[in-house]
Amino acid sequence: QKEVEQNSGPLSVPEGAIASLNCTYSDRGSQSFFWYRQYSGKSPELIMSIYSNGDKEDGRFTAQLNKASQYVSLLIRDSQPSDSATYLCALKGNQAGTALIFGKGTTLSVSS
Amino acid sequence: DTEVTQTPKHLVMGMTNKKSLKCEQHMGHRAMYWYKQKAKKPPELMFVYSYEKLSINESVPSRFSPECPNSSLLNLHLHALQPEDSALYLCASSQVGTGVGTNEKLFFGSGTQLSVL
Repeated sequence: QKEVEQNSGPLSVPEGAIASLNCTYSDRGSQSFFWYRQYSGKSPELIMSIYSNGDKEDGRFTAQLNKASQYVSLLIRDSQPSDSATYLCALKGNQAGTALIFGKGTTLSVSS
Repeated sequence: DTEVTQTPKHLVMGMTNKKSLKCEQHMGHRAMYWYKQKAKKPPELMFVYSYEKLSINESVPSRFSPECPNSSLLNLHLHALQPEDSALYLCASSQVGTGVGTNEKLFFGSGTQLSVL
């Protein structure tokens, strides 16, 4: 049984600060990792994917993956009030046809 | 804008009603999914169609019945639902891959907010 653990928060940061969101997982066979952003009442939106160890940057977002320690993180630089949302960590195994498994999500609140 | 289209966006139904949720994608994806999401909870997988072959989450009650007429369309038929079935129902699609790569990405529709009275 794959498990994905996230701190539910809320994580509160001031505008302009760096927000750090963390996720740990139990299945060492997991190969693909994703961060989704979900605003209240809306569907999840993919913001980052990462497949190999190290950092991957896209604009203000950086995903970090450490397979040996089984964690994946998301850094949001220069946080904006519009970043206030729930961030879902998700992973997928390396077998065809398997679906994403989601963590419970971390609620981020950015105050202006 | 999402390329996965779900209808209706909102649905209110009684426990004796029969209704259907519809989903369509034109990205050429060969896997389509139904997820259920309760408030402040993560999406939970209900059904997966991969190359129009169904995989079922065995915990899903039979009052939910999926249908995949072709690789672009996915329906969810609802019958005799209970108030606890009220939730956001999300359709999603992805490529079907055998390893690691960009075809693993899951794209969601905007969802159907279902209320069962």
